[in-house]
Amino acid sequence: AQSVAQPEDQVNVAEGNPLTVKCTYSVSGNPYLFWYVQYPNRGLQFLLKYITGDNLVKGSYGFEAEFNKSQTSFHLKKPSALVSDSALYFCAVREWNRDDKIIFGKGTRLHILP
Amino acid sequence: GAVVSQHPSWVICKSGTSVKIECRSLDFQATTMFWYRQFPKQSLMLMATSNEGSKATYEQGVEKDKFLINHASLTLSTLTVTSAHPEDSSFYICSASGSSRTYNEQFFGPGTRLTVL
Repeated sequence: AQSVAQPEDQVNVAEGNPLTVKCTYSVSGNPYLFWYVQYPNRGLQFLLKYITGDNLVKGSYGFEAEFNKSQTSFHLKKPSALVSDSALYFCAVREWNRDDKIIFGKGTRLHILP
Repeated sequence: GAVVSQHPSWVICKSGTSVKIECRSLDFQATTMFWYRQFPKQSLMLMATSNEGSKATYEQGVEKDKFLINHASLTLSTLTVTSAHPEDSSFYICSASGSSRTYNEQFFGPGTRLTVL
């Protein structure tokens, strides 16, 4: 069965510092990986996705994520955090060529400290 | 990118009444729509998957008679919470995916906050 783990409930980073939000996954086939961000009382906004190709994926708002097959990880990163990056971040996974259902991690709350 | 809207964005109702939430894909045809429920500070829980013109597939533990889902067209799905009770209060989010099977991805609506008094 597919699963996604986000080991940190909350991550605190000082503004201007690099940030990392961790995600590991488990699928039986090839993964199709996503990161979404959610602001209070809002729906999910797409940040980036990995399908195939380069392991380093660049997305919206300066975010990027690195697919690591051997470690089954897809950590979200940004070189320099902004206060406006403070939000709830979800990692999600779907298997290729399976039904459209995707599985979300429990979310990691990111606090950027001014 | 593809846009999905939800209406209403928030609703307050009395216990025992029914509430309908609409989910529309504005600029693409959504062959599949998904309904999620999100409790405060928790992740999204998939409630059901609906394909246009067919009955929805409900996840285990979700009452199909309680949460009625209709996907009558390629741009509209509705979720009706019947005989709502305070425990149904939650944030409901829909998503939609199009007809490209290989790179199918979900586009999310902004969510609907339901409060049952």
